[in-house]
Amino acid sequence: AQSVTQLDSQVPVFEEAPVELRCNYSSSVSVYLFWYVQYPNQGLQLLLKYLSGSTLVKGINGFEAEFNKSQTSFHLRKPSVHISDTAEYFCAVSDRSSNYKLTFGKGTLLTVNP
Amino acid sequence: DTGVSQNPRHKITKRGQNVTFRCDPISEHNRLYWYRQTLGQGPEFLTYFQNEAQLEKSRLLSDRFSAERPKGSFSTLEIQRTEQGDSAMYLCASSSIQGYGGYTFGSGTRLTVV
Repeated sequence: AQSVTQLDSQVPVFEEAPVELRCNYSSSVSVYLFWYVQYPNQGLQLLLKYLSGSTLVKGINGFEAEFNKSQTSFHLRKPSVHISDTAEYFCAVSDRSSNYKLTFGKGTLLTVNP
Repeated sequence: DTGVSQNPRHKITKRGQNVTFRCDPISEHNRLYWYRQTLGQGPEFLTYFQNEAQLEKSRLLSDRFSAERPKGSFSTLEIQRTEQGDSAMYLCASSSIQGYGGYTFGSGTRLTVV
């Protein structure tokens, strides 16, 4: 069975600082990895995804993530955050054995302070 | 393409009442998923459809829950005899038939049982 661990429930940072949100997964087969963002009282919006190929994936809003198979990690990074990046971020995994159902982590609340 | 649409956005109901939510997926998407999200948690899988066939149901989906997708287009999720523990955000998503490219989520229906 697949699972996702988001190591930090809350990450406070100052505006224009870099940020890294950590995600580790477990799965017995080849995986597909995703990061979603959720603003208050909204649904989830896809930030980026890793399906295959280059391990460095670039997404919307200046975010990027790196797939590290040996460390079973898919950490999300942004070199300079804005106030508008304040939101909940979810890492998710799917694989063929689960028929491509997404399994989510518990989320990381990113708070960007002025 | 207007994305995934969910109605209503908010529902307040008394314990013991029945409620029904509707989801209209992206028209060319064959798969439709229902997830539940409680406060401080990531979305949890409830059930999914491929066209009109319901292919999998989570153990979270008690006998009081039923979902349908009668013509392979929109879907409804009904909760009978609601309990306070049913209070949550109910998220609908759709994807192509493979699903591994990620889902498109709706804005969710927030249910409050009083």
